Amino acid sequence: AQKVTQAQTEISVVEKEDVTLDCVYETRDTTYYLFWYKQPPSGELVFLIRRNSFDEQNEISGRYSWNFQKSTSSFNFTITASQVVDSAVYFCALSANSGAGSYQLTFGKGTKLSVIP
Amino acid sequence: NAGVMQNPRHLVRRRGQEARLRCSPMKGHSHVYWYRQLPEEGLKFMVYLQKENIIDESGMPKERFSAEFPKEGPSILRIQQVVRGDSAAYFCASSRDRFNEKLLFGSGTQLSVL
Repeated sequence: AQKVTQAQTEISVVEKEDVTLDCVYETRDTTYYLFWYKQPPSGELVFLIRRNSFDEQNEISGRYSWNFQKSTSSFNFTITASQVVDSAVYFCALSANSGAGSYQLTFGKGTKLSVIP
Repeated sequence: NAGVMQNPRHLVRRRGQEARLRCSPMKGHSHVYWYRQLPEEGLKFMVYLQKENIIDESGMPKERFSAEFPKEGPSILRIQQVVRGDSAAYFCASSRDRFNEKLLFGSGTQLSVL
């Protein structure tokens, strides 16, 4: 079975601070994919990144960066110089073979980030 | 370059009525997933479909819920005889292949059952 844990339920930071959102996952599969999604107050789910289990290179996209550590089963997300527009709920998700022919996503419960001006 | 389109955005039904939620995947995407977001439970997988086929429905409630993805037209999630507990946000996602290289979600349908 797959499991994703986002231990931080809510985080508040002051604008321009850096913030890291933690994600720990569990799976027995050797091939799997990790995702991050952003859900702003308007409710839609915005794709941020997908990583496969064979690629441990860290990734940077503008103010966003991701740290994938297989040894600790973690896929943490850092926002540098946070802005008010970053306020949202962020979901980490794991995709692995369900055994029923699908690579459905298993989501963490999300971390609500509030950036205070 | 339309993304995943879901409609309606909001749907209000009375107990016992039927709810039909529609999802048009991105152009070129033939894999569709439905997820449900309940306030205390988070986002949960419901069903995975490819054109005309249900591949994995392990997350679907056994009764009252059904899904289809016909050869022509959008994917439909149908809920018969709705109850208050069905009130939730229902999200559709699509991808080009089953490995979800870029799994994109629609804006969701917020179902409210009175």
